[in-house]
Amino acid sequence: DTEVTQTPKHLVMGMTNKKSLKCEQHMGHRAMYWYKQKAKKPPELMFVYSYEKLSINESVPSRFSPECPNSSLLNLHLHALQPEDSALYLCASSLLKESNQPQHFGDGTRLSIL
Amino acid sequence: KQEVTQIPAALSVPEGENLVLNCSFTDSAIYNLQWFRQDPGKGLTSLLLIQSSQREQTSGRLNASLDKSSGRSTLYIAASQPGDSATYLCAVRDGGTYKYIFGTGTRLKVLA
Repeated sequence: DTEVTQTPKHLVMGMTNKKSLKCEQHMGHRAMYWYKQKAKKPPELMFVYSYEKLSINESVPSRFSPECPNSSLLNLHLHALQPEDSALYLCASSLLKESNQPQHFGDGTRLSIL
Repeated sequence: KQEVTQIPAALSVPEGENLVLNCSFTDSAIYNLQWFRQDPGKGLTSLLLIQSSQREQTSGRLNASLDKSSGRSTLYIAASQPGDSATYLCAVRDGGTYKYIFGTGTRLKVLA
């Protein structure tokens, strides 16, 4: 069982919808990450939060809007997505952004854009 | 710009074989290197993490080595089992930005 919980597991939405992905961890980690993974490709970093503040934005389009309301929770708000945004979205956490401790991943949300 | 490559891209072996997966990176200024496995449609499971000052790490049948100067890491799996079938990913953590950059992955199939 993963210690990073992502909901929902699957999401199908139209291009005009607004939805949110949720990620939760209770390991006391202060760094949290969003990755995007296309089929048969490695994960690509989207955002990094450190102590609930956005630390890295990998030039992600504004239709993806991250939010970290507290140290245990990370959201990804979605609006006006394109079909090419269909992918597996993975959340991860680590003790600190700068630590030598491993990243822990959730099982992901599989997103399909119609 | 850091680039991470894994060879081979796919591997099929009979059960019981010992095998080696390779990971190469272009910039030796890394903070650490982590090996993961990913089952189809699932997230990533951390296997081993090697800090930049370390040469190897072991966990059960897994042994990972790191040669920073040559930009290489290997994951050795002893006595492979069908349950080891998965995609194996290495990821290097950049020393300046602390970002993880993932390799292209090796899809392993262990035949019973």
